[in-house]
Amino acid sequence: DGGITQSPKYLFRKEGQNVTLSCEQNLNHDAMYWYRQDPGQGLRLIYYSQIVNDFQKGDIAEGYSVSREKKESFPLTVTSAQKNPTAFYLCASSRQRGDTEAFFGQGTRLTVV
Amino acid sequence: SQQGEEDPQALSIQEGENATMNCSYKTSINNLQWYRQNSGRGLVHLILIRSNEREKHSGRLRVTLDTSKKSSSLLITASRAADTASYFCATDAALNFGKGTSLLVTP
Repeated sequence: DGGITQSPKYLFRKEGQNVTLSCEQNLNHDAMYWYRQDPGQGLRLIYYSQIVNDFQKGDIAEGYSVSREKKESFPLTVTSAQKNPTAFYLCASSRQRGDTEAFFGQGTRLTVV
Repeated sequence: SQQGEEDPQALSIQEGENATMNCSYKTSINNLQWYRQNSGRGLVHLILIRSNEREKHSGRLRVTLDTSKKSSSLLITASRAADTASYFCATDAALNFGKGTSLLVTP
């Protein structure tokens, strides 16, 4: 089945540690996105990528980093510079940026302990 | 950045009633999309309406778009308890989302 997969579903991180969230899609989509969702805040765009080896900052990129070495994969690293990383993280992909429907993964809930 | 803003923030209705939620945006768009999110899950695409369309239907969903007012509405007819979810609109530029409308449908 085609789809977009995020892993792990739950992730715990100690303060000061970097952690990487995985996002893989087999839909042959060019565009991929990372969002952060906090209660009452809706979805906020962290980074997006329109093509391999290219990505752009979203509204809240500070403390995060991404890579797009393969079309299928768009991992997000939450660095120790992110002061409040506890949140629900959603990855999405679409055929092109904003032109067609986006498909979302089931999310990763990150908790700092 | 372009962003859809949904209204109301929360809506509570009974099964069988219609639910209407609105979305406003700030700049010109090529399309506007509506999504649904069940608690703790990813978003699911409901419908996309292009800037040259005024109305679109999909099952019990009806979406309208008024580009002169920079607004859209989503109507869910004959609501069911299973429609309980958050609903988001997104504009095309970078799929920026608003805070959503939380819909509660009670039996």
